[in-house]
Amino acid sequence: QVQLVQSGAEVKKPGASVKVSCKATGYTFTNYGITWVRQAPGQGLEWMGWISVYNGNTNYVEKLQGRVTMTTDTSTTTAYMELRSLRSDDAAVYYCARVGLHYDTSANGFDIWGQGTTVTVSS
Amino acid sequence: DIQLTQSPTFLSASVGDRATITCRASQGISNFLAWYQQKPGKAPKLLIYAASTLQSGVPSRFSGSGSGTEFTLTISSLQPEDFATYYCQQLNSYPRFTFGPGTKVDIK
Repeated sequence: QVQLVQSGAEVKKPGASVKVSCKATGYTFTNYGITWVRQAPGQGLEWMGWISVYNGNTNYVEKLQGRVTMTTDTSTTTAYMELRSLRSDDAAVYYCARVGLHYDTSANGFDIWGQGTTVTVSS
Repeated sequence: DIQLTQSPTFLSASVGDRATITCRASQGISNFLAWYQQKPGKAPKLLIYAASTLQSGVPSRFSGSGSGTEFTLTISSLQPEDFATYYCQQLNSYPRFTFGPGTKVDIK
């Protein structure tokens, strides 16, 4: 069935990097975009950025520009999100989600979500 | 960037009650609005997209309305499994998307 399966929990020290993977199955990977959302403990949903699986175009939220990189590997139908120079306030559950590739199809929302990956940042 | 506000922040209600949540956008977004339900420890679930289209498999007690800057999510008769946090999201500024701050619906 259509699903996104994320990599396991990570514990990192401040200043380190983390790379979370998101394996897509059950649909044509290149027909959609992948977006990343995070949620700090007890907080709301924060959109982080988007990548077109079709052509690799990306768009990141301003506050993470320069620290985040989103990529995809179409050969393994896997998306990746790398966050560098981790700080304590980066501790969160990170989700990947599927979204339409274009303006009109993106209106269909984030219809498939990964199960979430907990990233702990602690010295 | 488009900002979203939701009201109320908290909603205390009983099983069988009608619940209404409002989402307001800082500028017009046509009908590019989605609603999500999130339960503790779980990923969000898409309920409604394009302001009023019910996602496949979502019960018909959920409905959405609105266009432009003001939107509403209505649960016609709350069921025990509906107690959760609800988020609106704008998709008009593709490929930049924004979530509202959330509304927690709990049992009175």
